[in-house]
Amino acid sequence: DAGVTQSPTHLIKTRGQHVTLRCSPISGHKSVSWYQQVLGQGPQFIFQYYEKEERGRGNFPDRFSARQFPNYSSELNVNALLLGDSALYLCASSLARGVSYEQYFGPGTRLTVT
Amino acid sequence: AQSVTQPDIHITVSEGASLELRCNYSYGATPYLFWYVQSPGQGLQLLLKYFSGDTLVQGIKGFEAEFKRSQSSFNLRKPSVHWSDAAEYFCAVGASGNTGNQFYFGTGTSLTVIP
Repeated sequence: DAGVTQSPTHLIKTRGQHVTLRCSPISGHKSVSWYQQVLGQGPQFIFQYYEKEERGRGNFPDRFSARQFPNYSSELNVNALLLGDSALYLCASSLARGVSYEQYFGPGTRLTVT
Repeated sequence: AQSVTQPDIHITVSEGASLELRCNYSYGATPYLFWYVQSPGQGLQLLLKYFSGDTLVQGIKGFEAEFKRSQSSFNLRKPSVHWSDAAEYFCAVGASGNTGNQFYFGTGTSLTVIP
């Protein structure tokens, strides 16, 4: 079975632009979470979505938004990009929304903001 | 506020030696605790998790971790390290609260294994 897939793999954007990152969960998984991992740091939780509804939100500005589609895939949108948004963005899927469920991580999207 | 601390940024051990990676957490109740490993070019992989019950939990690849409530710790151990264990290790906490589900990761411990 395919694991969590993310697209694109790499992305270069300019300050002030907008970016959309995509994630497809493992088949049968209904929950998707997004993380930001800055180089040399641990992942920071951004959002969790389950059944198309937001179930958790980390401490990120409103420039960050996400949504989940009926097929459980998800998009992360970041507006008005800043240099500090440069990071590896990770998507994780799990069977359900509880924090006890194992999260399976994708390979990530490397975003560079210049 | 909830937090996860991994005091050791980098650890070097000889192949075959034992390993212990430290993790301390701050949370009001008993949290859900996890250890993940991240190898270069690969995604995060769950090693083990603790929710309740036996405080010594076994994971994949020969790893184990012990939950100590009195010390707010969840240290990862392995009796004999293999060269393939070289990677970045992250301790994480999952919690549910007024703002919904939250997941907190430590800053990670980089493990180098020498022959």
